[in-house]
Amino acid sequence: DAGVIQSPRHEVTEMGQEVTLRCKPISGHDYLFWYRQTMMRGLELLIYFNNNVPIDDSGMPEDRFSAKMPNASFSTLKIQPSEPRDSAVYFCASSLGYSEQYFGPGTRLTVT
Amino acid sequence: AQSVAQPEDQVNVAEGNPLTVKCTYSVSGNPYLFWYVQYPNRGLQFLLKYITGDNLVKGSYGFEAEFNKSQTSFHLKKPSALVSDSALYFCAVRSRGSQGNLIFGKGTKLSVKP
Repeated sequence: DAGVIQSPRHEVTEMGQEVTLRCKPISGHDYLFWYRQTMMRGLELLIYFNNNVPIDDSGMPEDRFSAKMPNASFSTLKIQPSEPRDSAVYFCASSLGYSEQYFGPGTRLTVT
Repeated sequence: AQSVAQPEDQVNVAEGNPLTVKCTYSVSGNPYLFWYVQYPNRGLQFLLKYITGDNLVKGSYGFEAEFNKSQTSFHLKKPSALVSDSALYFCAVRSRGSQGNLIFGKGTKLSVKP
């Protein structure tokens, strides 16, 4: 298996622009997680899905952030409008049931 | 509430010496416990997990961890450190009966010097 796939790997955008991050989980996994990692705040869980249904989005910082999972093989995290404080590495992870999570390589987002 | 503590921000070890990265946890009920490693500019990689059974769990790259219920600890160990083990290590926990999310510690930076 190719593992969790994320795109793009790097994104540089200007403040106010819309940013869409994409994730393809491991085939057969029923949980999908979005995390954000910064030096200041460490690793933060933003939202997670079970069988394409959002279970807990309490980690989403504000209404500018939204996430969707239209099918079992694809999820997006959207930021609109983006702000410099959104600069971070965003990880997607998937798991089968309550087992270990497998992480993607991450998207490094820079908002100028 | 569930929580994980990694009391050391950084651990320095000489190559060939044993290493320990500490983790303590707080959950209601019995825990699922995990260790992950993150190399620079990479995602987190799963190392090992404790679900039930033997308190000593063996994982990837020669790492092992010991579950200690009375001390609520799950320390990561390796008998002989390699320079290539230098990375950021995360401990994570989930209580049985909770949904799929893990609670991660803040991470410990391991530096192995030649």
